[in-house]
Amino acid sequence: AQRVTQPEKLLSVFKGAPVELKCNYSYSGSPELFWYVQYSRQRLQLLLRHISRESIKGFTADLNKGETSFHLKKPFAQEEDSAMYYCALSGNRETSYDKVIFGPGTSLSVIP
Amino acid sequence: DGGITQSPKYLFRKEGQNVTLSCEQNLNHDAMYWYRQDPGQGLRLIYYSQIVNDFQKGDIAEGYSVSREKKESFPLTVTSAQKNPTAFYLCASSSGHPFEQFFGPGTRLTVL
Repeated sequence: AQRVTQPEKLLSVFKGAPVELKCNYSYSGSPELFWYVQYSRQRLQLLLRHISRESIKGFTADLNKGETSFHLKKPFAQEEDSAMYYCALSGNRETSYDKVIFGPGTSLSVIP
Repeated sequence: DGGITQSPKYLFRKEGQNVTLSCEQNLNHDAMYWYRQDPGQGLRLIYYSQIVNDFQKGDIAEGYSVSREKKESFPLTVTSAQKNPTAFYLCASSSGHPFEQFFGPGTRLTVL
């Protein structure tokens, strides 16, 4: 079954410290992986997706198919990074899988 | 302000009553989705529609109904059959394959 897990409900780090939000998935095929973020009083929005291989707001995420992981990383956390982060997956273009599955989310708190 | 809108922001309902949540988008997106967001459970898919006059059940469709008569609109009805309707409801849209979903601001439904 398709599933996304995020083992940490809450994660607190000090400003300037590295941060890693963990995400593991199960999917029979080649998935598309995403990270969505929800800042306080703002809409849920896409942060980044693995096919773009880009860095957004200093965050990066590498898809590790062997470990079925897509951890989100940032070398130096900032206070404005405090938010709820959701890992998500969908099927790739070659599949008819037309849904997105979201993980339970990790609440990141950056301590000044 | 374009994009995707949801109304109302807050909604109160008495037990036994049906209630309809509105979702409208002007992004010309073909696909629209309804999610339910509960603390610690992430986003769970209720219904989705890839095209006008067609929709599919998501993972938690029981007690909900939808319609897709227009491309721009995807209203969700929470029926009295839904056992635990108090939640935050999010609507989203995407153009075709769900590479990026655009979310509305949400509706918080409380059953009294």
